[in-house]
Amino acid sequence: EAQVTQNPRYLITVTGKKLTVTCSQNMNHEYMSWYRQDPGLGLRQIYYSMNVEVTDKGDVPEGYKVSRKEKRNFPLILESPSPNQTSLYFCASSLGGRVTDTQYFGPGTRLTVL
Amino acid sequence: AQSVSQHNHHVILSEAASLELGCNYSYGGTVNLFWYVQYPGQHLQLLLKYFSGDPLVKGIKGFEAEFIKSKFSFNLRKPSVQWSDTAEYFCAVPSGAGSYQLTFGKGTKLSVIP
Repeated sequence: EAQVTQNPRYLITVTGKKLTVTCSQNMNHEYMSWYRQDPGLGLRQIYYSMNVEVTDKGDVPEGYKVSRKEKRNFPLILESPSPNQTSLYFCASSLGGRVTDTQYFGPGTRLTVL
Repeated sequence: AQSVSQHNHHVILSEAASLELGCNYSYGGTVNLFWYVQYPGQHLQLLLKYFSGDPLVKGIKGFEAEFIKSKFSFNLRKPSVQWSDTAEYFCAVPSGAGSYQLTFGKGTKLSVIP
């Protein structure tokens, strides 16, 4: 089944403890991205990647890192999480990153930073 | 940069009522427009999209949207809603001319009362 998977789905952590949220897609998509969703703010893009070893900042990249060493994986790294990074995170992928390509979203990761 | 406005934060309807959710965008050039839906506890799914041609676009589950260039609008409609349409709806546009990134509206929560 074609899908985008994320792990973990739920995570509670403390300020400053490094964490990684994994994202994987099995559709051989070139484009992958991370969004955070906050009430009343909609979805805001954190980082995106057009292909392996190519990443770029989205609208809200501060406090996050990403890497794209393999086509299928696009982990989101929080080196030193803070409470304002408590949010619902979505990974998405699309075939070629063209605006006409449909983006497929993962199930989401709900992160709470205490 | 492109911006998107969704006028209604929360809409409450009875089953069989007609639905129209507003979406206005700021960019005046070539426009690509999307509506995504997020059912409770689930990830975002593409509802419909407009790239060119007939300004009345039909999507899944009986939804349609009309692109009105003169009004910079792309309103979502459904003649008769069902309880299962309870969800949050997001309008999205590319972040700028030729951009691969999507800018999402803040979302409209629809609650359908049986």
